Amino acid sequence: RKEVEQDPGPFNVPEGATVAFNCTYSNSASQSFFWYRQDCRKEPKLLMSVYSSGNEDGRFTAQLNRASQYISLLIRDSKLSDSATYLCVVSRSSYKLIFGSGTRLLVRP
Amino acid sequence: DVKVTQSSRYLVKRTGEKVFLECVQDMDHENMFWYRQDPGLGLRLIYFSYDVKMKEKGDIPEGYSVSREKKERFSLILESASTNQTSMYLCASSSPNQPQHFGDGTRLSIL
Repeated sequence: RKEVEQDPGPFNVPEGATVAFNCTYSNSASQSFFWYRQDCRKEPKLLMSVYSSGNEDGRFTAQLNRASQYISLLIRDSKLSDSATYLCVVSRSSYKLIFGSGTRLLVRP
Repeated sequence: DVKVTQSSRYLVKRTGEKVFLECVQDMDHENMFWYRQDPGLGLRLIYFSYDVKMKEKGDIPEGYSVSREKKERFSLILESASTNQTSMYLCASSSPNQPQHFGDGTRLSIL
């Protein structure tokens, strides 16, 4: 079993839709949590950190449920430019990040 | 803005060659990392370094070595390249407990 699991998708949604991704992690000692975005043939870029209390950045909302060991990302009012792969990332220590394989999002006109 | 620079975007080498991939960061980060990314497998950590001359094996170190002689530079070495090392290689850097920042990646093909 992978340490970080994501539905690979693709999620195919119309512009303006709300879409949510979930991610589960197996190591209960995980300390930090992030969502990264990766465009085709490009490097991953930090989208947002995920805090226990939940956090929002514009159209993006991230939630963490430590008891159930899952992380979610909600995107409201989807734009064409949101089309990308979204990577769920969990930190075991101050050095190591564990990456999920990613969820692919396609936003259509 | 954090800048992580990898020496090559595309590289083609032959089986058995010794290959060097270079990475430089300009943010005085203590931590540097080398990953490879393959379809369906996600990013896998090869080696990381938390200080000059310090290195730690990641999840898939076999067939690779690294060098960190200066804080800003972290090199990945394929001792004797093989076709199963054809992949996208990504370098990253960070301060402790902070998110990692990635370079543009090197697409390496071993023929």
